[in-house]
Amino acid sequence: SQTIHQWPATLVQPVGSPLSLECTVEGTSNPNLYWYRQAAGRGLQLLFYSVGIGQISSEVPQNLSASRPQDRQFILSSKKLLLSDSGFYLCAWRGAGTGGNQPQHFGDGTRLSIL
Amino acid sequence: AQKITQTQPGMFVQEKEAVTLDCTYDTSDPSYGLFWYKQPSSGEMIFLIYQGSYDQQNATEGRYSLNFQKARKSANLVISASQLGDSAMYFCAMREGPGTGGFKTIFGAGTRLFVKA
Repeated sequence: SQTIHQWPATLVQPVGSPLSLECTVEGTSNPNLYWYRQAAGRGLQLLFYSVGIGQISSEVPQNLSASRPQDRQFILSSKKLLLSDSGFYLCAWRGAGTGGNQPQHFGDGTRLSIL
Repeated sequence: AQKITQTQPGMFVQEKEAVTLDCTYDTSDPSYGLFWYKQPSSGEMIFLIYQGSYDQQNATEGRYSLNFQKARKSANLVISASQLGDSAMYFCAMREGPGTGGFKTIFGAGTRLFVKA
């Protein structure tokens, strides 16, 4: 069966420090991968999505970047964090070629606090 | 541009009664899909129900049904016989494509549902 792992679960970082959040998927090949950010009590904002290795679509110009170095690995990064980067970050995957009626499957999320 | 709107920040419902959560959308893609997810306080995202743009009938999954009105671009979630465990945040989401970028999916701002005993 397919599983998604996202870590760390919680992270506290000072302003100006770098960031690396990792997401990996098991049990499937060539998934569509997504990064979302959720501000407290708010909706999910699509940050990046990827349909294959090295292919990244950026939805919102911002202080963050994403990379997909391997088929089932999706990394969210920043060189210098801002206070506004605080939030709940969710990674998700959807099977490629399975049809548009398939839902996304989400990781447990990373709660990021910037001090 | 692709857009999802949920106009109800919070809703209250009495246990065992039905409740409707509103969702409107905007897209120029003739092929799209609409999803509803539930997010309890734990933060996990739980898929509830799906409606495709070409589906002729409204989707149903147990106590969940989707009132799909294509001309009005609305996809409201109906929860029948509410339970205390239904208290959570509910998100409407829409995917377009596939296009060159795959299945892009965006979410609404969410509606927080409170079920009263």
